[in-house]
Amino acid sequence: AQKVTQAQTEISVVEKEDVTLDCVYETRDTTYYLFWYKQPPSGELVFLIRRNSFDEQNEISGRYSWNFQKSTSSFNFTITASQVVDSAVYFCALTHTGTASKLTFGTGTRLQVTL
Amino acid sequence: EAQVTQNPRYLITVTGKKLTVTCSQNMNHEYMSWYRQDPGLGLRQIYYSMNVEVTDKGDVPEGYKVSRKEKRNFPLILESPSPNQTSLYFCASSILGTGTGTEAFFGQGTRLTVV
Repeated sequence: AQKVTQAQTEISVVEKEDVTLDCVYETRDTTYYLFWYKQPPSGELVFLIRRNSFDEQNEISGRYSWNFQKSTSSFNFTITASQVVDSAVYFCALTHTGTASKLTFGTGTRLQVTL
Repeated sequence: EAQVTQNPRYLITVTGKKLTVTCSQNMNHEYMSWYRQDPGLGLRQIYYSMNVEVTDKGDVPEGYKVSRKEKRNFPLILESPSPNQTSLYFCASSILGTGTGTEAFFGQGTRLTVV
C-alpha cells in the first residue's frame, strides 16, 4: 500500500521568509513518481513538479526548489523569499509506475504568507 | 485553451435525489479520474477510466457510478446521494495514466452539499 504523509497541517510565515513543506512517502514499489500540486484559494489544483524515483537530482525553479531523498523517503518543497501569492494548500502525491492511473495524495499543508 | 471543465461548480441537493456532475476535457486524453477532497483526508480517487467504455473503481467508489461513452466526457453519477457524500469533487485527465509520470490536469472542482 502507498501512503503520503504531510505532517505540517498549517504553516504561517511572514513575507520574504523561506519555508519548507515536508513530504514523506511509503511504497513497496521500486519505481514510482512523486508530484507536488498547489491549490490556491480559488480551489483549482495546479501542477508544480514531477519527479521519478530514479532521479534524485534536486530541482530549482525560480523561488521554488525540491529536495528528493530516497534514503529517507522524502520529497520536500522549499519556497525561498515567500510572497503573499504563495498562500495556498500544497499537496504531495505519489503514483507507482506502469498503467496506474491513481495519485495517492497527502492531506495537504496550508501555507499562509502574511505581510 | 486546454482544460477540464466540470459542471456545476456548486450544488446543494437533498438526500436521495439523483444527480450528475459532468466532466469534459478538450485535450484528447485517454485517462480520466474522479477524486473527492475532504478535510484531513486529502484527495481520494473514486473511479477512473483508461479509455472509452473502460472504467474501474478507485479507493472510495461506494455510492457512485461513472460512464465513459465518449473520450472527452466522464460524468459522475450519484444515484441516491447521502450527507456523507458532501465533499469537493475533482475531475482529472491525463494523456496516459499517472503511472507513466504524465501530469494530471484537474477541473475547477464541484462543491457538493447533500442535506
